[in-house]
Amino acid sequence: EAGVTQFPSHSVIEKGQTVTLRCDPISGHDNLYWYRRVMGKEIKFLLHFVKESKQDESGMPNNRFLAERTGGTYSTLKVQPAELEDSGVYFCASSQDMSYRNTGELFFGEGSRLTVL
Amino acid sequence: EDQVTQSPEALRLQEGESSSLNCSYTVSGLRGLFWYRQDPGKGPEFLFTLYSAGEEKEKERLKATLTKKESFLHITAPKPEDSATYLCAVQGDTGGFKTIFGAGTRLFVKA
Repeated sequence: EAGVTQFPSHSVIEKGQTVTLRCDPISGHDNLYWYRRVMGKEIKFLLHFVKESKQDESGMPNNRFLAERTGGTYSTLKVQPAELEDSGVYFCASSQDMSYRNTGELFFGEGSRLTVL
Repeated sequence: EDQVTQSPEALRLQEGESSSLNCSYTVSGLRGLFWYRQDPGKGPEFLFTLYSAGEEKEKERLKATLTKKESFLHITAPKPEDSATYLCAVQGDTGGFKTIFGAGTRLFVKA
């Protein structure tokens, strides 16, 4: 079974440019999350999709970030225009249906490293 | 605000030298506390979920325990392949399904 895949693995762009990151979750996983780790800091939540709906986007830094999940399959995270502080590793994770006793098991991709110059 | 603090930041052990990693947490209503392992250039890999104080989980040389304020990850007779960053994380029952991560403990095991 294929795991969570992310593309690109590394992107280097100039300040002011646009970058789109893509995540393909594990097939059948309705829940998709985006997280980010900036240099030296902990991994931080950005947002949560349930199928194609945004369940929680409280972690999105500002309106330069736009996440979509058309059709409830893959997701994209667009940063436009990119700023220096957006540099970091963007992780996507997916999980099966939630239940009250959520196992908490998130399946992570390998991340997309973004460098803004 | 939900918060996770891990210590030490880095730990160097000799092969076979047992030790423990600490995770202190503050959360409004614990839904679950999680341990993940992360290798360089990879995403976090799930290890355990603990739900309530007194609970313990084991996997090979790893054992996770939970109190009302802390969790410990005990590593018994570690091997070089146990070298990785170990992440502790929590979910509270008021924050949706977002997971709050600590900064991690980098473990180095020397042969």
